[in-house]
Amino acid sequence: QVQLVESGGGVVQPGGSLRLSCAASGFTFSSYGMHWVRQAPGKGLEWVALIGNDGSNKYYGDSVKGRFTISRDNSKNTLYLQMNSLRVEDTAVYYCAKAVAPVGYYSDYWGQGTLVTVSS
Amino acid sequence: DIVMTQSPDSLAVSLGERATINCKSSQSVLSISNNKNYLVWYQQKPGQPPKLLISWASTRESGVPDRFSGSGSGTDFTLTISSLQAEDVAVYYCQQCYGEPLTFGGGTKVEIK
Repeated sequence: QVQLVESGGGVVQPGGSLRLSCAASGFTFSSYGMHWVRQAPGKGLEWVALIGNDGSNKYYGDSVKGRFTISRDNSKNTLYLQMNSLRVEDTAVYYCAKAVAPVGYYSDYWGQGTLVTVSS
Repeated sequence: DIVMTQSPDSLAVSLGERATINCKSSQSVLSISNNKNYLVWYQQKPGQPPKLLISWASTRESGVPDRFSGSGSGTDFTLTISSLQAEDVAVYYCQQCYGEPLTFGGGTKVEIK
C-alpha cells in the first residue's frame, strides 16, 4: 500500500532554514510527480510546490517562490522541500502527496504531515 | 492564478438529509482537447490528511460511498452528499489542477444539525 512519511519539521526562528523529507513506499516513486501542500493552524489547504517524476519540472506557489526548493532522489524514494528565509506565516503542517501522473494533476495519496513552526 | 470560491463556508444538515457544496472557479477548468474538467474534491476530517473523493469533477474514487457525487462543468461545480451520515462530518475542499499554481477553495465545514 502507498505510504508517505514526512519528517524534518520543528521550531525555527524567522529568517531560518529547514529541510523537510518525505519517504515514499508502496508505488513506483520515479513514475509519479509529487506535491507539497501546507495547512496553517485552523486554516485551509495551500498548495506549495510540485515536481515532475524525473525532477526536471518544478512549479511553486506564489507565496514560496524564490524561498523554497522542491527536489527528489528517485534512488532513495524520497522527496524534499528546502525552506529558506522562513517567515512566521510559513507556520503550518506540511503534507507531501503523490500525484496521479508523471508531471502533476491532483493527489491521490497524502502523508500525515509534519509541523513547521516559525517563531522567535 | 485561478481563484476557487466555495460556498457556503459551513452548513449544518440533519442526518439522512442532503448536503450541497458549491465551488466556482475564476476561469474555466474545462480542457477543450479532452473534454475533462480539471476539478477534484477532498474530504478532511479533524487531525487527518485530506482524502480524495471525486476526480475530474464527477468521477467517484474507489471505495467512496455512492452518496457522494460531483457535478458541474467549466466554472461551476457541486459536491452533493445525498443522505448525510455521522461519519461525513468534515471539511470539504475543491481544487483545480488545470494550471499552476494549483489552487484550493477555502473549504466548507459540514456538521450535523
